[in-house]
Amino acid sequence: DAGVIQSPRHEVTEMGQEVTLRCKPISGHDYLFWYRQTMMRGLELLIYFNNNVPIDDSGMPEDRFSAKMPNASFSTLKIQPSEPRDSAVYFCASSLGSRGHYEQYFGPGTRLTVT
Amino acid sequence: GEDVEQSLFLSVREGDSSVINCTYTDSSSTYLYWYKQEPGAGLQLLTYIFSNMDMKQDQRLTVLLNKKDKHLSLRIADTQTGDSAIYFCAEKDYGQNFVFGPGTRLSVLP
Repeated sequence: DAGVIQSPRHEVTEMGQEVTLRCKPISGHDYLFWYRQTMMRGLELLIYFNNNVPIDDSGMPEDRFSAKMPNASFSTLKIQPSEPRDSAVYFCASSLGSRGHYEQYFGPGTRLTVT
Repeated sequence: GEDVEQSLFLSVREGDSSVINCTYTDSSSTYLYWYKQEPGAGLQLLTYIFSNMDMKQDQRLTVLLNKKDKHLSLRIADTQTGDSAIYFCAEKDYGQNFVFGPGTRLSVLP
């Protein structure tokens, strides 16, 4: 399997622009997670889906952030409008819920820079 | 809420053993994990331990769990330069709530 795929790997945008991050989970996995990593706050869970349904979005910082999972093989995280404080590495991870220990497989991340 | 703490830095000499420590607060943790992150990459699962176990060994890695003290450690035997990375401790409760520590940056000196 190719693992979790994220695109783009790097994104540089100007404040106020819309940013869309994409994720393709491992085939057959039924959980998908979006994380944000910064030096100041470490790794934060933003939202996770089970069978394409958002289960917990309490980590989403504010209404500028939205996430969708239209099908089992694709998810997006959108920031509109973007702000400099959104600069971070965004990770997508997936897991198979039927495995009792729910190990998560992480993608390579998208490094977002908002100027 | 749940909290996971780790020391931020550790330096060891090549060939020595490394011990990375972690403490957590959630008594309902079911599984505890160690992840490795190399520069520019995502997190890679190294090993995990179920909360009713005391120890787990996997090649050069040994995980020790003291559930009473809520203390988890990762020992890397014969540490190599390729082990230089950030190591994250994480815990999971009965749901899907994963909480990660801040990460320990391991530097292996020649």
